[in-house]
Amino acid sequence: AQKITQTQPGMFVQEKEAVTLDCTYDTSDQSYGLFWYKQPSSGEMIFLIYQGSYDEQNATEGRYSLNFQKARKSANLVISASQLGDSAMYFCAMREGRYSSASKIIFGSGTRLSIRP
Amino acid sequence: GAVVSQHPSWVICKSGTSVKIECRSLDFQATTMFWYRQFPKQSLMLMATSNEGSKATYEQGVEKDKFLINHASLTLSTLTVTSAHPEDSSFYICSATVNPGTSGNEQFFGPGTRLTVL
Repeated sequence: AQKITQTQPGMFVQEKEAVTLDCTYDTSDQSYGLFWYKQPSSGEMIFLIYQGSYDEQNATEGRYSLNFQKARKSANLVISASQLGDSAMYFCAMREGRYSSASKIIFGSGTRLSIRP
Repeated sequence: GAVVSQHPSWVICKSGTSVKIECRSLDFQATTMFWYRQFPKQSLMLMATSNEGSKATYEQGVEKDKFLINHASLTLSTLTVTSAHPEDSSFYICSATVNPGTSGNEQFFGPGTRLTVL
């Protein structure tokens, strides 16, 4: 069963606008972690932000914030004041269970974000 | 810190040959490394979990005899694609885990290796 769902294959946003990338997940574990990664055309995976299932506050990292709604099992990424360099693929990912060095991370299908000048 | 390298960054080979891809953790010891495959315009699919000094754990549907994984040291894991065919052409990415501390950033990814089989 698919664990991570990203329903937006592609999005176009005007520069300087805010953008929300959707992510829903499915797990029966009480302890889990949620991640967002950015993958530019070079292919490298760039870690953006992390939210633990027990974290009460929504995670923020600079222009990135994670809108964590636990009851709805959603973990949307919000990018404020978008920039041309934000154009890339964005992946939502999840680690089930408590962290161990062998914990697997499963990825969603991704959203391609394109910023218009 | 927490830098992961891969070598080579790209490789072109003939059908039927074997290709080895290296994944190194440069400034930390990684007891566990992961290998992913990514086809164009698709997501990362986990192929296997590689543990130092023991056999790799493969995901369902991944042929262990075709994708040989060796994790000989705490800083090096290798993926060998044996008897490669054009359908094996893909982007292969490794990652290594560290203790998360408080950041939650547990896995660090290598830059990837693009394999093209002619």
